[in-house]
Amino acid sequence: DARVTQTPRHKVTEMGQEVTMRCQPILGHNTVFWYRQTMMQGLELLAYFRNRAPLDDSGMPKDRFSAEMPDATLATLKIQPSEPRDSAVYFCASGPQGGLRNEQFFGPGTRLTVL
Amino acid sequence: AQTVTQSQPEMSVQEAETVTLSCTYDTSESDYYLFWYKQPPSRQMILVIRQEAYKQQNATENRFSVNFQKAAKSFSLKISDSQLGDAAMYFCAYIRNFGNEKLTFGTGTRLTIIP
Repeated sequence: DARVTQTPRHKVTEMGQEVTMRCQPILGHNTVFWYRQTMMQGLELLAYFRNRAPLDDSGMPKDRFSAEMPDATLATLKIQPSEPRDSAVYFCASGPQGGLRNEQFFGPGTRLTVL
Repeated sequence: AQTVTQSQPEMSVQEAETVTLSCTYDTSESDYYLFWYKQPPSRQMILVIRQEAYKQQNATENRFSVNFQKAAKSFSLKISDSQLGDAAMYFCAYIRNFGNEKLTFGTGTRLTIIP
């Protein structure tokens, strides 16, 4: 069945390194969301796109984070340089075009550990 | 700003019994959706049930039902005939029907099922 896929599932890196997380939304979905989950802050929206254009990235630290959709089948979230406080689980979710605006289907997440 | 509060960090229930998880929210909007998501140890966020604010009838999905009290801004989840597979973190979430499509999550309730 159709699912959101995320790679990698786990990433351990050292402080200062670049991290790229990838998301493949469900085919035909035109809205993509990036969420971050930490023990301290819980689940929070970082950014979201519709038809590959960013609609809101106010939750994302601009100095080190960037999110893009090179094409309709790929969304990326980059952190450069990474810091220990970026350690979290990063979720991608997608929503269907023309569907209920409340439908968001989540991927399995990328667990990031920055040492 | 919208906020979602889950006042029960942990709950436990005997297998086959019924448990209710609490959620309150704060919003000035009248048109919105509320959700309960389940997050098992696999980390996958799974939509359990949704409620549209304009619908007075409480949503039901098999063993899961909600008690939606719009005036009180309360949205509790009742799980009947609890099963071992129900053990997970449960998150209450809110989204407005117009404008920003950010899902606002509560801090979660960890549900343990006692065999």
